[in-house]
Amino acid sequence: AQKVTQAQTEISVVEKEDVTLDCVYETRDTTYYLFWYKQPPSGELVFLIRRNSFDEQNEISGRYSWNFQKSTSSFNFTITASQVVDSAVYFCALWPRNLIFGKGTKLSVKP
Amino acid sequence: DTGVSQDPRHKITKRGQNVTFRCDPISEHNRLYWYRQTLGQGPEFLTYFQNEAQLEKSRLLSDRFSAERPKGSFSTLEIQRTEQGDSAMYLCASSEKGGGSGRVRETQYFGPGTRLLVL
Repeated sequence: AQKVTQAQTEISVVEKEDVTLDCVYETRDTTYYLFWYKQPPSGELVFLIRRNSFDEQNEISGRYSWNFQKSTSSFNFTITASQVVDSAVYFCALWPRNLIFGKGTKLSVKP
Repeated sequence: DTGVSQDPRHKITKRGQNVTFRCDPISEHNRLYWYRQTLGQGPEFLTYFQNEAQLEKSRLLSDRFSAERPKGSFSTLEIQRTEQGDSAMYLCASSEKGGGSGRVRETQYFGPGTRLLVL
């Protein structure tokens, strides 16, 4: 079975705090991709990152970083020094053939 | 360089009516996907085209739903005899196998969605 679990439904932080969004996935495929998308209130899904199953290197892009651990089937996303503009719903997704999304984590960053 | 576009952005209809949505993918993308998203949930896959061929359909795509991509460019999603349970955001995405244009290959880029409300 293919599944993505985002256990945190909602997170609220104050601006400049660091925040980590958790993602756990299940798949029997040995080759797959993992994604994070951001969905601001406007509704459009914005691509953030893709990771393939053979690349466990962590990645940093500005204030964003991603921690991929195959041993625990997790692909967590950290925002450092959060800003109000980071407020959105964040989705983790698994791609063995078509995207399978988690239920999303709603992040609210308060000034 | 434009992204994925969808039309209309919002649609309100009465139960039993037919509706049609359009998606224009990123121009060099040969793959096109439709998803449905209900409130508080992640998007769920409906169907997928490679060029004009519809290669996969989800069980969610009942026989009231039909999608086409006649010339391998834009796509339409039609819902016949709409029901209140069809109320959702319908999202279109496109991707290409190769890379280019500064985008990541085999990555789906989404349009703004069509929000459907069935009364």
